[in-house]
Amino acid sequence: DIQMTQSPSSLSAAVGDRVTITCQASQDISNFLNWYQQKPGKAPKLLIFDASNLETGVPSRFSGSGSGTDFTFTISSLQPEDIATYYCQQYDNVPPWTFGQGTKVEIK
Amino acid sequence: QLQLQESGPGLVKPSETLSLTCTVSGGSISSSSYYWGWIRQPPGKGLEWIGSIYYTGRTYYNPSLKSRVTISVDTSKNQFSLKLNSVTAADTAVYYCARHRRLGYCSGGSCYSWGQGTLVTVSS
Repeated sequence: DIQMTQSPSSLSAAVGDRVTITCQASQDISNFLNWYQQKPGKAPKLLIFDASNLETGVPSRFSGSGSGTDFTFTISSLQPEDIATYYCQQYDNVPPWTFGQGTKVEIK
Repeated sequence: QLQLQESGPGLVKPSETLSLTCTVSGGSISSSSYYWGWIRQPPGKGLEWIGSIYYTGRTYYNPSLKSRVTISVDTSKNQFSLKLNSVTAADTAVYYCARHRRLGYCSGGSCYSWGQGTLVTVSS
C-alpha cells in the first residue's frame, strides 16, 4: 500500500505569515490527493481536492500544488481562524484512502 | 443536500463487538459514483481509514483491521454499517462515516462528504 509522509507534525507561525505543509507519497499517485482541515471536536473539512483545486467556499489564501509523489499545501497569510490540524489524503481507483500524519498549526 | 449520520452505542465492553450504522439522506447510496467508508480517530491522534464499501457490496478493508472488521450495505434503508469485533481500549475513537468519489464517475469537491462523527469508548 501507498504510504503518505506529511511534515512538519506541528508548526507555530504569526498572523499574516505564509505557512507550508508538505506531503510525500511512497509512489506516484498522479494528482489523487486531498487536503483537509480539522478543528477540535469537528469532522474534517475538505479544502483542496485533486491536489490543487480549491473547494467551493474555501478562502483563496489556501492553495495546493504538486503531482506524482510530492505535494504542498500553503496558507498564504495565516489567520487566527486557521488554527487547526491539516491532513493530506491519498486515494486511487479503489480504496484504501490513506491519510498523512497531520500537521497542527498554531499561532505564535 | 447530502447528510451522513452515524448512530450506535457510545460505550462497548472489551472483547465485545462495536456496531455502528451510517444513514445517508439527501442522496442515494446506490449511486455508481461513490464509495462509502468508515474512518476513525483515537483521542488526540490522527485519522485512520477502516474500510469502504461499494453499493453492490464489494468491500475493501484496512489490512491492520481486516480480521476484525465487517462493513455491509442496506440499499433499501440507504444505510451502511460497521462491525468491529473483539474490541479493546485501543479501539476507543471517534468514528466517522464518509462518502468518497469513485474515479471516473465523479469529479469535484461535492463528491466528498463526512458525517459529524460519533465517540465510541471501550471500557468495562
